[in-house]
Amino acid sequence: DAMVIQNPRYQVTQFGKPVTLSCSQTLNHNVMYWYQQKSSQAPKLLFHYYDKDFNNEADTPDNFQSRRPNTSFCFLDIRSPGLGDAAMYLCATSRRQGGDEQFFGPGTRLTVL
Amino acid sequence: AQSVTQLDSQVPVFEEAPVELRCNYSSSVSVYLFWYVQYPNQGLQLLLKYLSGSTLVESINGFEAEFNKSQTSFHLRKPSVHISDTAEYFCAVSKSGGSNYKLTFGKGTLLTVNP
Repeated sequence: DAMVIQNPRYQVTQFGKPVTLSCSQTLNHNVMYWYQQKSSQAPKLLFHYYDKDFNNEADTPDNFQSRRPNTSFCFLDIRSPGLGDAAMYLCATSRRQGGDEQFFGPGTRLTVL
Repeated sequence: AQSVTQLDSQVPVFEEAPVELRCNYSSSVSVYLFWYVQYPNQGLQLLLKYLSGSTLVESINGFEAEFNKSQTSFHLRKPSVHISDTAEYFCAVSKSGGSNYKLTFGKGTLLTVNP
């Protein structure tokens, strides 16, 4: 089945230790998104790629970076995780922008010690 | 900018009872509206969406939502719920038309269906 895969499902890192979260898709969608979801809060868009074009949300901290080496893969890099970065990170894809359904992966839960 | 308010953080109901999950939005422009569902340990899945046309939209598993522009609402309803409907439900909005991509989510409503 075509899907959005996130690895790992659970990630534990230490304060200040860089961490990379991975997302892959078999849907061949043009757009890939990263959301941060903290407990009891709405998912918050961090950035998205339309093909290779990177779009950063204005309020996304500089500590968060992303890479999309090809259509299928997208990575979220947190350069120096703080305790406040502990959250669920959701990857999503869509065929195009504007009204299209977004398909979500199961998420990676990040714990910062 | 858009915003979404889901008025109830938790809704407990008994099996076969009707349910309404409330969603209100704020926007200065025309919008698309969505309901996503998140089952335990899974990602979000699209339940239904309103883009244009008929203001009443339905999902394949018996949910429906009605776009009410005057009340800026998009409430989700089901006449008879099942245990398997237990999940978190998120209402979301985006600007309509063009290349607008950004979904703004509400905080979610946890629907718990009890036997």
